[in-house]
Amino acid sequence: AQSVTQLGSHVSVSEGALVLLRCNYSSSVPPYLFWYVQYPNQGLQLLLKYTSAATLVKGINGFEAEFKKSETSFHLTKPSAHMSDAAEYFCAVSETGGFKTIFGAGTRLFVKA
Amino acid sequence: KAGVTQTPRYLIKTRGQQVTLSCSPISGHRSVSWYQQTPGQGLQFLFEYFSETQRNKGNFPGRFSGRQFSNSRSEMNVSTLELGDSALYLCASSFNSGQQGNTIYFGEGSWLTVV
Repeated sequence: AQSVTQLGSHVSVSEGALVLLRCNYSSSVPPYLFWYVQYPNQGLQLLLKYTSAATLVKGINGFEAEFKKSETSFHLTKPSAHMSDAAEYFCAVSETGGFKTIFGAGTRLFVKA
Repeated sequence: KAGVTQTPRYLIKTRGQQVTLSCSPISGHRSVSWYQQTPGQGLQFLFEYFSETQRNKGNFPGRFSGRQFSNSRSEMNVSTLELGDSALYLCASSFNSGQQGNTIYFGEGSWLTVV
């Protein structure tokens, strides 16, 4: 069974600083990986998706993630944090054979002025 | 193109009652899945429907049920509500089911409070 582990339930950065949210996955077959963002009182919005076309994936709002097979990681980064980036971020993997997407526990990002 | 629409957005129920939540997927999407989100348990998969058939089910008691109609709209029902059922219930739709890399799109959720 596939699984996702997000390291750090809370991450705090200063405005303008690098954002790094960590995600490790477990999969016996090549995975499809996703990052979603959830703003307060809203549903989840897709940030980016890895489908094996390229290891570096660019998403919306200046975020990107790099797939590293040797490290089974798919960390999310943004060079310069903005106050509007404060939200909860979820890493997810689609299960072999489809039918459901497995989500990590989420990382809440705080951005300090 | 309209997104995933969930109704109602907020509701309060009493223990022992039952509740029905509705979800209209993105036009053309045939798969609908449901998730429960709570502060303690995070995002938990409930079930997924494709062409009116339940294709997969999470680890929830039988009080949680769902169905999908021929127009792909879906409903989920929770009977005999318990305090622990208080949560945000999220519906998500996708174009197809059974394919890896199939992106799911979420609605804004239905906030259920059980008192």
